[in-house]
Amino acid sequence: GAGVSQSPSNKVTEKGKDVELRCDPISGHTALYWYRQRLGQGLEFLIYFQGNSAPDKSGLPSDRFSAERTGESVSTLTIQRTQQEDSAVYLCASSTSPGSNQPQHFGDGTRLSIL
Amino acid sequence: GEDVEQSLFLSVREGDSSVINCTYTDSSSTYLYWYKQEPGAGLQLLTYIFSNMDMKQDQRLTVLLNKKDKHLSLRIADTQTGDSAIYFCAEYGGSQGNLIFGKGTKLSVKP
Repeated sequence: GAGVSQSPSNKVTEKGKDVELRCDPISGHTALYWYRQRLGQGLEFLIYFQGNSAPDKSGLPSDRFSAERTGESVSTLTIQRTQQEDSAVYLCASSTSPGSNQPQHFGDGTRLSIL
Repeated sequence: GEDVEQSLFLSVREGDSSVINCTYTDSSSTYLYWYKQEPGAGLQLLTYIFSNMDMKQDQRLTVLLNKKDKHLSLRIADTQTGDSAIYFCAEYGGSQGNLIFGKGTKLSVKP
């Protein structure tokens, strides 16, 4: 079946512009996660959505970052007034439900480069 | 706080076994995961182990868990050039359902 789909796969933009990244989770997966991977680093957790519950935004790096999810489907991560330190791969994952026994399945990520 | 540590590099010859090690700090971790990342790709779930298990085997992959020492290892038997990738160890963080990842071990397989 279809896996987690992310778009665009690559994004190059100028400093100061806004960008919107999209994640389409596996159908039926209620839990959705966003992570950031800087070059040569592990994954840094950003935000988590479960069903229609309001997310905890404390993991977002700054107030320039925001994320939304419509019901149990697509999520968007928006970065306003991008800075060079925002350059990274942004990975989305989904799982059937929250919980340690529910493996998270990842998309291929969006490679964001800020010039 | 929670932390996951891995060595950064491992080089082996094709046909040998590879052992990738990981240590974690959260004693309440229930599940521990191994992911594989090939260049330009996302993370592929390889295997995971519940903390009440000592070992899990899946074809060429063997996971060993020493809960007392908080040590996890991934053994790849008969390593092939296609196994060249970065391998991430992760523990379940819990508070927001997120995984906590190590920085990854880059496995290079020489023919």
